[in-house]
Amino acid sequence: DTEVTQTPKHLVMGMTNKKSLKCEQHMGHRAMYWYKQKAKKPPELMFVYSYEKLSINESVPSRFSPECPNSSLLNLHLHALQPEDSALYLCASSPSGGNTYNEQFFGPGTRLTVL
Amino acid sequence: GENVEQHPSTLSVQEGDSAVIKCTYSDSASNYFPWYKQELGKRPQLIIDIRSNVGEKKDQRIAVTLNKTAKHFSLHITETQPEDSAVYFCAAIFSGGYNKLIFGAGTRLAVHP
Repeated sequence: DTEVTQTPKHLVMGMTNKKSLKCEQHMGHRAMYWYKQKAKKPPELMFVYSYEKLSINESVPSRFSPECPNSSLLNLHLHALQPEDSALYLCASSPSGGNTYNEQFFGPGTRLTVL
Repeated sequence: GENVEQHPSTLSVQEGDSAVIKCTYSDSASNYFPWYKQELGKRPQLIIDIRSNVGEKKDQRIAVTLNKTAKHFSLHITETQPEDSAVYFCAAIFSGGYNKLIFGAGTRLAVHP
């Protein structure tokens, strides 16, 4: 399996809802990432997990809560979001974290709409 | 600060022509520079990358050049085809570890038949 998968593909939620985005890879990669991409903008890094530990949190609001249950899975828990949080949420993985720089493989994304 | 600038923001060429996209980066310690292609509604896909110990890399119709002194790298696409139409993002890894990629703003390339 050489792909990063994400579920759901689309998600519509109200500002009081709690939902989760899921990401999975079976390539043995030890670094996983969450990005946010607004329309006509580049991906913007949110979180980096390296060997299942949170390595980078790019000052993301606490209404976004990442979780890495194991080396293949990455979740993003959503609570009390705002309409401006509507975006494409991309997950990515790379063979290793730390100071070894490798290609990041992106998942297809979850298109989130907050009403 | 961490910054990657990309130009032009849009590029329109005729099929068969060449296209060049340029990027500059701010962190002199950056040593990995990937280029991603993103078609509408699709995920970013790596098309070519270059590391700082190499000045040029080529893969069929695509080439990337790197000038570390000037902190500048470029994507060259030759013999463009309509299926090359997409948004192209350059990126640079920023020092401090953990594969922190910073993307340029993107170039929307349109190849007209």
